[in-house]
Amino acid sequence: EAAVTQSPRNKVTVTGGNVTLSCRQTNSHNYMYWYRQDTGHGLRLIHYSYGAGNLQIGDVPDGYKATRTTQEDFFLLLELASPSQTSLYFCASSDNNERLFFGHGTKLSVL
Amino acid sequence: QQKVQQSPESLTVSEGAMASLNCTFSDGTSDNFRWYRQHSGKGLEMLVSIFSDGEKEEGRFTAHLNRASLHVSLHIREPQPSDSAVYLCAVNQGAGNKLTFGIGTRVLVRP
Repeated sequence: EAAVTQSPRNKVTVTGGNVTLSCRQTNSHNYMYWYRQDTGHGLRLIHYSYGAGNLQIGDVPDGYKATRTTQEDFFLLLELASPSQTSLYFCASSDNNERLFFGHGTKLSVL
Repeated sequence: QQKVQQSPESLTVSEGAMASLNCTFSDGTSDNFRWYRQHSGKGLEMLVSIFSDGEKEEGRFTAHLNRASLHVSLHIREPQPSDSAVYLCAVNQGAGNKLTFGIGTRVLVRP
């Protein structure tokens, strides 16, 4: 079973704060994704990547940057956090057009 | 953009009775359709993925796809209290394994 580890599990910051969410996968998957999950919206794709150094824009990218430093590591950056970015964030990885493996999520609160 | 809607919003069934969940989508040319389960406070677990019209069974979970009707369903045979969770329908948007999710159906299985 592929392992996707997110950190931190919980994060509280203030409006205007700088936040980095981390994701590491240990199965050498090419694809990695960042989703946010909000009541009434389901999961929405923020950014994704095909491999180290590659970045693709998802469906709700505004206010977020991402960086894929290695095949294993994918980071989501909120440089000026806003209360609207309070959400549950999920990272996922996959190796082909089939199963996505999800992390356990990071709960972010922006006060 | 693909729209995915799920019904009902919530469902309560007795242990052992069949549970049926529905999902409609707007673009019938999508590659494949998936059902995920999310236990409270946990990540997502894929249950079944279906590419072609008809049915696909994975253990106690069976998906039925009808592209012409823009409909995919999930049936849970002999549900157990441990199946109580939110069930999410997801549609693959093509290259890059990008998924569009519904907002989910909350299932409660009573002993």
